[in-house]
Amino acid sequence: EDQVTQSPEALRLQEGESSSLNCSYTVSGLRGLFWYRQDPGKGPEFLFTLYSAGEEKEKERLKATLTKKESFLHITAPKPEDSATYLCAVQAGYGGSQGNLIFGKGTKLSVKP
Amino acid sequence: DAGITQSPRHKVTETGTPVTLRCHQTENHRYMYWYRQDPGHGLRLIHYSYGVKDTDKGEVSDGYSVSRSKTEDFLLTLESATSSQTSVYFCAIPDRYTGELFFGEGSRLTVL
Repeated sequence: EDQVTQSPEALRLQEGESSSLNCSYTVSGLRGLFWYRQDPGKGPEFLFTLYSAGEEKEKERLKATLTKKESFLHITAPKPEDSATYLCAVQAGYGGSQGNLIFGKGTKLSVKP
Repeated sequence: DAGITQSPRHKVTETGTPVTLRCHQTENHRYMYWYRQDPGHGLRLIHYSYGVKDTDKGEVSDGYSVSRSKTEDFLLTLESATSSQTSVYFCAIPDRYTGELFFGEGSRLTVL
């Protein structure tokens, strides 16, 4: 069964304290791995897509990496405005449309000033 | 913004009543999706559409039906709402060029 597991469930950081979020996946043929950010009361906001092991993408203080079994979202010198829930999702290779994603439960990040 | 509007944004209803949620897009995209989000679960796909009158089931389709009579609107119907359908419902469409999903603001449904 295709599965996505995110850890930790919650993470509290001080402003400037770098850390990483983990997304491990079990899927029959990975077509893509996606990271989203979700603020309270809002829809998920797209951050990154990764397609193959070794791929990396960056955006401001965020950097996403991918291996054959997991992805990391590295947050460098976070600021309070980075506080949000970060969601990981995979698109499996068994067919179906491009929007059939399997999501993890998310990591809730809190950054204190 | 991806041009997605969901309505209503909030609704409280009673068990056994029918409920319809609407997703409206301005992107003229073939594909549209309905997901639900619950505490302790990730987002889960309910139904999706790949064109007018073309729909298919997702992971958690029981108790839901959908309709798409025109490109811009995708309706999600709960024929007889139950408390287990209390959730936040998100509509999504793919980016035309990259395929990445963009989500609406959500519809919070409470079934008493």
